[in-house]
Amino acid sequence: EVQLMESGGNLVQPGGSLRLSCAASGFTFSLYAMSWVRQTPGKGLEWVSLISGSDGSTYYADSVKGRFTISRDNSINTLYLHMRSLRDDDAAMYFCAKGMSTLHLVHDFWGQGTVVSVSS
Amino acid sequence: DTVLTQSPATLSMSPGERATLSCRASQSVGSSLAWYQQKPGQAPRLLIYDTSTRATDVPARFSGSGSGTDFTLTISSLQSEDFAVYYCQQYNQWPPATFGPGTTVDIK
Repeated sequence: EVQLMESGGNLVQPGGSLRLSCAASGFTFSLYAMSWVRQTPGKGLEWVSLISGSDGSTYYADSVKGRFTISRDNSINTLYLHMRSLRDDDAAMYFCAKGMSTLHLVHDFWGQGTVVSVSS
Repeated sequence: DTVLTQSPATLSMSPGERATLSCRASQSVGSSLAWYQQKPGQAPRLLIYDTSTRATDVPARFSGSGSGTDFTLTISSLQSEDFAVYYCQQYNQWPPATFGPGTTVDIK
């Protein structure tokens, strides 16, 4: 059974940093692309970043490029999102999601999410 | 970026009725369109990808159609568990992948 479990969400001040983690199980983690997708009541679902399952290539939404870094540790089946220079509009529920193949933006499994709040 | 528009915003239906949800893209996405279902407090669940391919364990009452810029998700006979929010997502021109704003299917 595929399972994805996010952690690391917290309240952080504007300009601060945070690292989200996503522990994966039930599939061969290294073979699949993984994404972060965030959701807010106002802006709906927003794809944030993807890391491929082959060569670890990374892709970002313009809204986070240069501030967020996606990474993965295939030895412990864990996905990360390093977030810095956080802004008010980064506040959201952050989901990790599994891609359907090595480089694929259709997400066939999702975690339950972790909440990031940004406020002074 | 490719903008997706979904209509209607809310669909009020009765169990057993046929529901038709629309997703329109600002430019052609070919057949690279997926549909997700989300219930309150839950993560999105993949229903359809590549316009019309049902994901694993998705009931046959869900079907997808369309191409280019106009797509439809049809639920042939609404069951109680189908009342939820439905999102379309394009993955033809990325980054970024983009999602529509959602259609809420609620009970009339």
